[in-house]
This record gives sequence, structure tokens and C-alpha cells, in this order.
Amino acid sequence: EDQVTQSPEALRLQEGESSSLNCSYTVSGLRGLFWYRQDPGKGPEFLFTLYSAGEEKEKERLKATLTKKESFLHITAPKPEDSATYLCAALMDSNYQLIWGAGTKLIIKP
Amino acid sequence: EAGVAQSPRYKIIEKRQSVAFWCNPISGHATLYWYQQILGQGPKLLIQFQNNGVVDDSQLPKDRFSAERLKGVDSTLKIQPAKLEDSAVYLCASSARLAGGYEETQYFGPGTRLLVL
Repeated sequence: EDQVTQSPEALRLQEGESSSLNCSYTVSGLRGLFWYRQDPGKGPEFLFTLYSAGEEKEKERLKATLTKKESFLHITAPKPEDSATYLCAALMDSNYQLIWGAGTKLIIKP
Repeated sequence: EAGVAQSPRYKIIEKRQSVAFWCNPISGHATLYWYQQILGQGPKLLIQFQNNGVVDDSQLPKDRFSAERLKGVDSTLKIQPAKLEDSAVYLCASSARLAGGYEETQYFGPGTRLLVL
């Protein structure tokens, strides 16, 4: 069965404390791996797409990486405004649909 | 560039009542998606349109849910009659279709929060 699993479910960090979020996937054919950020009361906001193992993308304090089994979202020296739920999703090459993880709720304390 | 618009933002109804949600995608985006997101979970695809045709509605509970996309632009999702378990956020997303394939990135609206009492 195609599935995407994110860990941890929640992560509390102090401002400036770097860490990583994990997204492991088991899909029959991966076209791409997406990361989104979702703030309370809002829709998901696109962050990154990764297409091949070894690929990395960066945006401000965030860096996403991809292997053949998982993706990591590294957050360096986070600030309180980075607090949000981070969702990953695998794009199936068979039907161009996204298989979503349940998200990691990130809380950055000042 | 204007984003995906949805209305209403919030809706509270009694079970067995009907409700409708509206979505206006990003201008020029051919593909439109409706998702259901239950608290603490990722979005679940309900239906996908390509222009005004249905691409996939395999997870749409067709006994109570219906959706249409007339003229290939705006879309409406309806629930009739609503059940308690329909309480969720309903998200609309759109993506462009490039020559020879799809633009895979989906852009989301703010969602409609539905509470069924």
C-alpha cells in the first residue's frame, strides 16, 4: 500500500535550536516529493519539490533533502515565526496524485 | 497574482442539512482539486477536475457528496445530507497544465471549516 509517514508528530524547540523533520515514503512509483507549510486556519503553502535521490533545496532557514526511502526537512536556527505544521506528500507517477503524511507540528519557543 | 479563493470560510450546520462550498482557482489553472482535511491528518483527495471533466472521484462519497466545475473555472462542492463525521476543513487547490504534461505543484486556498452538530 502506498503511504507516507512523518515523524515526530510534534516537536518543540527553543529559538535557535536546529533539528530535522522526517518523511518516509513507500510508494510504487515516485514522481516527486513535496513539502508544504500549514499555519493554523490556513491552507497548505508550497515550500519545495524534490525529484531525485541526493537532491537538496534551500529556502531561508529550511533545507529539504531526499533519499530513496525518505526526505528530511532541516531547520537551522529556527525563529518563533517558523512555528507551523509541516506536511510532506509523495506525487505518484501513475496518476499525478499526492499521498499525504499527517504532518509534524513544530513549535519554536522564544 | 491572485491565489485560490474559497467561500464561505466557516459554516456550522445541523446533521442532515445540506451545505455548499465554492472555489475559484488561480486564473488559467486547468486542474482543480477538492480535499477533506480532518484535524491532525493530512489532506484527503475527494475529487480532481481537468478543465470541466472529472479525472478522479474514487474517494468521493457519492451518496452524499457532489461536485461540479461548469465552464472549467469555478467549482462547487455540495454535501447533502451532512453527517457528524463530515466536520472537517474542505480545501480547494489548483495547478497549471503545461504543454506536454502537468505542472505538479498544487496551490491551496484558505479552506472552509465545516462543523456539523
